[in-house]
Amino acid sequence: DAKTTQPPSMDCAEGRAANLPCNHSTISGNEYVYWYRQIHSQGPQYIIHGLKNNETNEMASLIITEDRKSSTLILPHATLRDTAVYYCTLDGDSWGKLQFGAGTQVVVTP
Amino acid sequence: SAVISQKPSRDICQRGTSLTIQCQVDSQVTMMFWYRQQPGQSLTLIATANQGSEATYESGFVIDKFPISRPNLTFSTLTVSNMSPEDSSIYLCSAGTGYEKLFFGSGTQLSVL
Repeated sequence: DAKTTQPPSMDCAEGRAANLPCNHSTISGNEYVYWYRQIHSQGPQYIIHGLKNNETNEMASLIITEDRKSSTLILPHATLRDTAVYYCTLDGDSWGKLQFGAGTQVVVTP
Repeated sequence: SAVISQKPSRDICQRGTSLTIQCQVDSQVTMMFWYRQQPGQSLTLIATANQGSEATYESGFVIDKFPISRPNLTFSTLTVSNMSPEDSSIYLCSAGTGYEKLFFGSGTQLSVL
């Protein structure tokens, strides 16, 4: 069974921030949280990852709660090209062995 | 960042035949993995491709069905053997170097008739 839980879908207005939640209440101490997105018919695109601290890069910000049981991916200014399935994943019992859940279908509308 | 190339990008095969998918990374990486994405589903890890040794398979996947090779630090192959229509999926290669970004190829779309 997947170790992450995400809402199945989310709509977002273009130009607004998109906050994507993820629950990973059974996360273990050495598991990283990774976020990917997949645009139709393409391979998953890396967005960001973290262990404990909040992270920010040119694409997004990752907020991880202090107990590490949940996280939020923030897309600061959503564009139409951000429409995709977003996956919150953990790397399981060994680095890189990502366990994907069902993901969140994000639709950005004008 | 690593660029991962997969060949072929898509193929249509007859049942009972085998297809070998190639994964080439533009730089040396520590780890390489193979995933399957069945139609309308999420990704499932098939195996870890170990350089110079036998691959490590996840539960539900076996070497006879999905033999994997990794002769060096930049290349791996996945063979889908004795194919049936249930093997119709996207097969994806991923690669990276410890505790950093993991990159994915664009995938191989396989249809089995």
